[in-house]
Amino acid sequence: DVKVTQSSRYLVKRTGEKVFLECVQDMDHENMFWYRQDPGLGLRLIYFSYDVKMKEKGDIPEGYSVSREKKERFSLILESASTNQTSMYLCASRMTGLSDTEAFFGQGTRLTVV
Amino acid sequence: KQEVTQIPAALSVPEGENLVLNCSFTDSAIYNLQWFRQDPGKGLTSLLLIQSSQREQTSGRLNASLDKSSGRSTLYIAASQPGDSATYLCAVRSSGGSNYKLTFGKGTLLTVNP
Repeated sequence: DVKVTQSSRYLVKRTGEKVFLECVQDMDHENMFWYRQDPGLGLRLIYFSYDVKMKEKGDIPEGYSVSREKKERFSLILESASTNQTSMYLCASRMTGLSDTEAFFGQGTRLTVV
Repeated sequence: KQEVTQIPAALSVPEGENLVLNCSFTDSAIYNLQWFRQDPGKGLTSLLLIQSSQREQTSGRLNASLDKSSGRSTLYIAASQPGDSATYLCAVRSSGGSNYKLTFGKGTLLTVNP
């Protein structure tokens, strides 16, 4: 079974802190994603990486950056955390391909910025 | 821009009932559609992937259908159980534009009462 593991289930950080959310997948997938999920807004894509060191901005990249130095690991960085970044963050991975490639998600990180 | 709608937003049924969840999308140019389950405070679990060339997929008591030309998918759950209680999300991977991303509906919250 594919496993996508996020480093923390719950995090509490202070406004202005630099925050790192880590995600690791064990299936050698090329594609990795970071989404955030908010009530009433659903899941929104923050960043996408299609291979090592490659990245694309999603729909809401402002205030975030990412790092992909190794194929299995994709990090989301909040440069200076703000209260409006309080959310559930979800990492996903997927093989390269088109019609037949299934996305797998991690267990989520609930981030609270105070 | 692809938009995904799920109706109803919430559904409550007695145990043992068969039920249908609906998903519609505005742009029929898709690679695939994926159904997920999300338990409260948790990540997403993939249930079924339907490729654009397929009409349906089955897994146990779950059957998902796809009518690409009309922009609709349904998830049929047979003989529902209290353990099926969760939020069900559908996501579409479009074949145009930003074809790497999944566009999600806001989900249907299912409650199965014993």
